[in-house]
Amino acid sequence: AQSVTQLGSHVSVSEGALVLLRCNYSSSVPPYLFWYVQYPNQGLQLLLKYTSAATLVKGINGFEAEFKKSETSFHLTKPSAHMSDAAEYFCAVSGPFGNEKLTFGTGTRLTIIP
Amino acid sequence: DTGVSQDPRHKITKRGQNVTFRCDPISEHNRLYWYRQTLGQGPEFLTYFQNEAQLEKSRLLSDRFSAERPKGSFSTLEIQRTEQGDSAMYLCASSFPGGTDNTQYFGPGTRLTVL
Repeated sequence: AQSVTQLGSHVSVSEGALVLLRCNYSSSVPPYLFWYVQYPNQGLQLLLKYTSAATLVKGINGFEAEFKKSETSFHLTKPSAHMSDAAEYFCAVSGPFGNEKLTFGTGTRLTIIP
Repeated sequence: DTGVSQDPRHKITKRGQNVTFRCDPISEHNRLYWYRQTLGQGPEFLTYFQNEAQLEKSRLLSDRFSAERPKGSFSTLEIQRTEQGDSAMYLCASSFPGGTDNTQYFGPGTRLTVL
């Protein structure tokens, strides 16, 4: 069985500040991990994914995430927040081949303070 | 390539009515997934197809729900005798597991409101 826990359903940061969204996973097989972003009334867009090739993964829009097996974490970061980053962010896990069904966390709503 | 499309984008229906949603995957994507997302929650897996074969169904998919992908291209999701608890966003995704990119690409979703 696989699961994802996202700590903090709401996160607010000032424009230009560091963004840190937390994700911890549980998986009985080597996981594939994903971060998706969802804007209001839209579908999900892939930000980045971990496929075991490298522990530090760079994605679109300046986001990156680091896979830490010892901490079972895959936190999402961005050095400098932009107003356009305001959205809902979902962490998801699948495995063992990365093309199975996705199990999502409950999401974190990111608000950017001008 | 125009991405995953879903129709309709919004559907309002009365309790007890049947509704059907359509999903057109990215061309040549042989895998198609359905997810349901309720307000304030992450998407939950419902079912998926490999070509026309339905390979897995979640326990969330009650007897009132049925999904098809008759020719291995578009898919339909039907809900019979809708209930207010069926109100949600229904998301479709597609992927090509055999390629270099097996990412699931999502459509814009169909928002269902049951009155």
